[in-house]
Amino acid sequence: GNSVTQMEGPVTLSEEAFLTINCTYTATGYPSLFWYVQYPGEGLQLLLKATKADDKGSNKGFEATYRKETTSFHLEKGSVQVSDSAVYFCALRSGGATNKLIFGTGTLLAVQP
Amino acid sequence: DTAVSQTPKYLVTQMGNDKSIKCEQNLGHDTMYWYKQDSKKFLKIMFSYNNKELIINETVPNRFSPKSPDKAHLNLHINSLELGDSAVYFCASSQGEGNTEAFFGQGTRLTVV
Repeated sequence: GNSVTQMEGPVTLSEEAFLTINCTYTATGYPSLFWYVQYPGEGLQLLLKATKADDKGSNKGFEATYRKETTSFHLEKGSVQVSDSAVYFCALRSGGATNKLIFGTGTLLAVQP
Repeated sequence: DTAVSQTPKYLVTQMGNDKSIKCEQNLGHDTMYWYKQDSKKFLKIMFSYNNKELIINETVPNRFSPKSPDKAHLNLHINSLELGDSAVYFCASSQGEGNTEAFFGQGTRLTVV
């Protein structure tokens, strides 16, 4: 079945450091890929998405490229801020009548000033 | 203009009680979901409805019963609450059966004592 694997946290960085959170997936067909962010005490917000191979999703300085050859969708940001501290979820959705959004286990990012 | 709203935000109740969580979306979406997030932040789908019809029912105890009076509402009723039901429950919606993203509510933190 479809699945998402993402790196375990917590990831602790200093402000302005470079961020990478790894995500790989297993899916039949051609899924869409997503990164969601959950700030403390809040719901999930869509951060960015990519719907086909080689697409790059970007938002708020975050980027991720849909790599079909490596089945990956790694999240990157060049310079993190304290306000980026949150839990980040990689997810996929493969369409069809019973399709559902499948999440990775989440990665907690803590950015220190 | 809240897109997906759920009530209540917090719910504390005793074991054995019956409780309901309500969810409404004003996005015009035809598909709605319930997800459960455990204490380790892991997100697992419970149910999905498309145009008021149940299309996904994961291995959830039958004490959990979703009800969709119309495609803008998906309520979750839980009978005979147990300690292990304590979690954050998220409602979400999306449009169609394609690979589109889902929009999430703010969550309901259920604590069973």
